Amino acid sequence: GAGVSQSPSNKVTEKGKDVELRCDPISGHTALYWYRQSLGQGLEFLIYFQGNSAPDKSGLPSDRFSAERTGGSVSTLTIQRTQQEDSAVYLCASSLIAGQNTGELFFGEGSRLTVL
Amino acid sequence: GENVEQHPSTLSVQEGDSAVIKCTYSDSASNYFPWYKQELGKGPQLIIDIRSNVGEKKDQRIAVTLNKTAKHFSLHITETQPEDSAVYFCAARYQGSYKLIFGSGTRLLVRP
Repeated sequence: GAGVSQSPSNKVTEKGKDVELRCDPISGHTALYWYRQSLGQGLEFLIYFQGNSAPDKSGLPSDRFSAERTGGSVSTLTIQRTQQEDSAVYLCASSLIAGQNTGELFFGEGSRLTVL
Repeated sequence: GENVEQHPSTLSVQEGDSAVIKCTYSDSASNYFPWYKQELGKGPQLIIDIRSNVGEKKDQRIAVTLNKTAKHFSLHITETQPEDSAVYFCAARYQGSYKLIFGSGTRLLVRP
């Protein structure tokens, strides 16, 4: 497809389990972002990948959260030992960073995580 | 780090009226200010943006204004329509980075 693809769209897990969320960005986009959106809240920045540069992990809320981007394309956000407060929609976005363009973010539809 | 505050959190207007959403940012080095619209069950989509070297930008019924001195920027929607009902997010980007920091969102309801 032409857009950002995220999977799973919905995930229900038990407290203490690990989860992996996947993001397939738009082909050719060099930048990839993860944001978290809690119910009725804003978009909380988690992590940002740009090309081969070291990722900006400044938004990760704890060491239970990690993300990787393999081959400059697909990204996986991993949450270990999930807690109920991790319940949220996790949004991925990608962007083409080139020259003076604005770097518009194109978002996927999100992965809704529910921790019981 | 950069912080973006957005007001109001909810806004209800009559169809045809105007709507204004306001944001303030903390880092004076921020140079790019986009607005995103999020419809139910969807990811946010860019609707308009403004760079720090411009004071105002218009696109049909929507406009954005920027006051760099006060570190304020606002979204103006005129002649609102029911399909404008959504959550709107402002954002700011620090110069030299492509990381976007978002405001907390405004839920706009346009009453027919």
